[in-house]
Amino acid sequence: EAGVTQFPSHSVIEKGQTVTLRCDPISGHDNLYWYRRVMGKEIKFLLHFVKESKQDESGMPNNRFLAERTGGTYSTLKVQPAELEDSGVYFCASSQDRTGRYNEQFFGPGTRLTVL
Amino acid sequence: AQKITQTQPGMFVQEKEAVTLDCTYDTSDQSYGLFWYKQPSSGEMIFLIYQGSYDEQNATEGRYSLNFQKARKSANLVISASQLGDSAMYFCAMREGRGETSGSRLTFGEGTQLTVNP
Repeated sequence: EAGVTQFPSHSVIEKGQTVTLRCDPISGHDNLYWYRRVMGKEIKFLLHFVKESKQDESGMPNNRFLAERTGGTYSTLKVQPAELEDSGVYFCASSQDRTGRYNEQFFGPGTRLTVL
Repeated sequence: AQKITQTQPGMFVQEKEAVTLDCTYDTSDQSYGLFWYKQPSSGEMIFLIYQGSYDEQNATEGRYSLNFQKARKSANLVISASQLGDSAMYFCAMREGRGETSGSRLTFGEGTQLTVNP
């Protein structure tokens, strides 16, 4: 079974440009999460999809960030325009609710975003 | 608000020895779950072990065990018989709510970088 995949693995852009990150969750997982780790700090929650609906987007830093999950499969996270403080590693995770289990989140390898 | 504190930015251990990575948490909820993840240099986050707030026994998974002290709000990870491949960043995380639904976000600590010396 394929794990969570993310593309690209690394992106370097200029301040003011646009970048789109993609996440493919594990097949069949309804829950999809985006997290971000900035400069050695803790990993912070950005938002949570259940299928195609945004369940919780309280962690999104501002309106320069737009996340979508069309059709409830893969998700994209667009940053437009990018600022220097957006640099960090963006993780995607997915999970499935199963009765009687603790339903751990499976993480992708992350996308390292560098804004110059 | 939930908070996870990992007070050890870096830890060193000799191969084959045991090591404890500290994690304390703060929450006002009665139901919550605690997770440990490992992040090797390759970058992927690997789930290691889970402890539910209502679990009466400490969780164990192979060489990993969780020293859960609910009254002290601590959930330390114990790695027995350390191996060179255990060198990685380790994150403690908490999720509010019982385990059957995974709906809530994870709150992470800042991580502990473990180095296993030969």
